[in-house]
Amino acid sequence: GIQVEQSPPDLILQEGANSTLRCNFSDSVNNLQWFHQNPWGQLINLFYIPSGTKQNGRLSATTVATERYSLLYISSSQTTDSGVYFCAVESDYNNNDMRFGAGTRLTVKP
Amino acid sequence: KAGVTQTPRYLIKTRGQQVTLSCSPISGHRSVSWYQQTPGQGLQFLFEYFSETQRNKGNFPGRFSGRQFSNSRSEMNVSTLELGDSALYLCASSLAPSYEQYFGPGTRLTVT
Repeated sequence: GIQVEQSPPDLILQEGANSTLRCNFSDSVNNLQWFHQNPWGQLINLFYIPSGTKQNGRLSATTVATERYSLLYISSSQTTDSGVYFCAVESDYNNNDMRFGAGTRLTVKP
Repeated sequence: KAGVTQTPRYLIKTRGQQVTLSCSPISGHRSVSWYQQTPGQGLQFLFEYFSETQRNKGNFPGRFSGRQFSNSRSEMNVSTLELGDSALYLCASSLAPSYEQYFGPGTRLTVT
C-alpha cells in the first residue's frame, strides 16, 4: 500500500517563528488532508489539498502531486499551534483507505 | 451544522468483554470511516462504510466489525477484548468516499 512519511518528527519553535512541515508519499493520490490533533485527541481539519496551494490565515499548504509531496507552512507561530500535525493520503489505485503519516509534534514556546 | 458525534467518549472494559461504539456523521454525509490510534502504531484505518456497505477493511482481526444504518449512523463492535485494544477510536464522516473527512472527538477505550 501507499507509504506516507512526515518530517521532521519533532519541532520546537519560539513563538513568532515560521516553520515548514513535509509529507512525502509513494503513490499518486486522489485525497490528501492535513490535520492538527489537539491535546484532547480531536483531529481538526486544516486543508483538503490533493494538489495545488491553499492558504488559511497564518497557515498555508502546497501539494506537488507529480513529485509526491506536500508542505504545510505555519507563519508567526503561536503557543496554541502546539500539537501533532498529521498528513493523510488516499491512493489513486484500488478502493483504498486513508493512510496517515506518523505526524510531526510541534512545540511552540512563549 | 452539527459535527461528527461519538458515544461514549470514555469506556473501561475488562479483557474478554465486548464493546460497541457509535458514530453519528455530519448531516448529509453518507460515508463513515473508523480509525484506531495507539502510541505504538499511530493512526490505523479500520473500515469504511458508504450507503450501508463496507467498502474497505484495514488489517485488523475479525473481532473488529462494524455496520452502517440507513440514516448513515455507524457502529463498530470489538468482541473478546484484549489489552492491546486499548486505544482512541476515531470516526470520520465525508459526503462520499475520497471526499474531505471530518473527525469526531473519539472514544477512549481502556481494557483492563
